[in-house]
Amino acid sequence: DAGITQSPRHKVTETGTPVTLRCHQTENHRYMYWYRQDPGHGLRLIHYSYGVKDTDKGEVSDGYSVSRSKTEDFLLTLESATSSQTSVYFCAISEQGATNEKLFFGSGTQLSVL
Amino acid sequence: GNSVTQMEGPVTLSEEAFLTINCTYTATGYPSLFWYVQYPGEGLQLLLKATKADDKGSNKGFEATYRKETTSFHLEKGSVQVSDSAVYFCALRATGGGADGLTFGKGTHLIIQP
Repeated sequence: DAGITQSPRHKVTETGTPVTLRCHQTENHRYMYWYRQDPGHGLRLIHYSYGVKDTDKGEVSDGYSVSRSKTEDFLLTLESATSSQTSVYFCAISEQGATNEKLFFGSGTQLSVL
Repeated sequence: GNSVTQMEGPVTLSEEAFLTINCTYTATGYPSLFWYVQYPGEGLQLLLKATKADDKGSNKGFEATYRKETTSFHLEKGSVQVSDSAVYFCALRATGGGADGLTFGKGTHLIIQP
């Protein structure tokens, strides 16, 4: 299994509070991704990174920011959490970003915003 | 843009039944196609993939053939087991679009009854 660790695994927070989710990899892969999973929507890309300090927006980036200061860590921040951000968040990694290359996924973070 | 359409289910079958989960896609160029599986409480795992037209991906008794003429990548298994109960996601990775990861379908929840 690819070495991907997401933390925390579960979090409950209140509307309006900031939240940071962490993804840590030990594979030295260049590409990292944050997805959210919601019933009826499957997985949707929030942000991705193609190197240290290189990030870009995905399909559902509003309300989220990311940072990647080291190859191994990719942080997702909700500056002011809303109930619509209650979801399961998955981090994924990819070595080269090639078209035929698979993604490896972490175990997910269940976030509840009350 | 790119998109993936799959039956959402739930799909309920008896053990040893034949399984088909339909998947069709829209994409420019020559995407790679994937099936991922998610067991309860876990992240996504690659089940199989195909990277060019007429390729057949296979793993653990599951098969899918890349059909460019019908833009389809249907998942099949000849005899399902209770342990196959999971959510199955069809996904594509666009030509030259590796930097922005995979585009997923909404997922099909499969329930196998003994």
